[in-house]
Amino acid sequence: QKEVEQDPGPLSVPEGAIVSLNCTYSNSAFQYFMWYRQYSRKGPELLMYTYSSGNKEDGRFTAQVDKSSKYISLFIRDSQPSDSATYLCASFGNTDKLIFGTGTRLQVFP
Amino acid sequence: DTGVSQDPRHKITKRGQNVTFRCDPISEHNRLYWYRQTLGQGPEFLTYFQNEAQLEKSRLLSDRFSAERPKGSFSTLEIQRTEQGDSAMYLCASSQNNYGYTFGSGTRLTVV
Repeated sequence: QKEVEQDPGPLSVPEGAIVSLNCTYSNSAFQYFMWYRQYSRKGPELLMYTYSSGNKEDGRFTAQVDKSSKYISLFIRDSQPSDSATYLCASFGNTDKLIFGTGTRLQVFP
Repeated sequence: DTGVSQDPRHKITKRGQNVTFRCDPISEHNRLYWYRQTLGQGPEFLTYFQNEAQLEKSRLLSDRFSAERPKGSFSTLEIQRTEQGDSAMYLCASSQNNYGYTFGSGTRLTVV
């Protein structure tokens, strides 16, 4: 079992939709949770960074962590075609290396 | 300083040849990481440095791979006797105190 699991998609939604992206993790030591966005043939770009459980909002993006169920979510409101990318969840705990999920490919069509 | 830069962007090599990639991190970042990403997969950890010390190396990394970070600045990743299975995107990232990695655009390696 991978330490971070993510549905690879693809997920296709119309412009303006609310998008929900999800991951699960298995390592109880994970304390830091991140979401990265990766455009084709580019490196991942940090979107959101959260510590422990709770919600964090930044513009149209909201990250949620539920440590009791080991569940990580990213919500995108009013999705735009420019949001079309692969979204990677990642986490680390008592080691210094980020463990990534497979990534979910999102397509927002006009 | 505009971010993490990697060179070259693309590399095509014949099987059995050696290749070397370079990464220049953000100057004030003390940690530097190498990851490998294949199509449809998330980045997979290879190794990382704190300053010039290599602190961890993935057990998935064969002896054909070696990385250095002399003087705690830029880093190089060398692959000896390349194999077709080495074809991937090699990503470098840097961070300061674990608060989010900044990735470069990667080096895409194709072994023919």
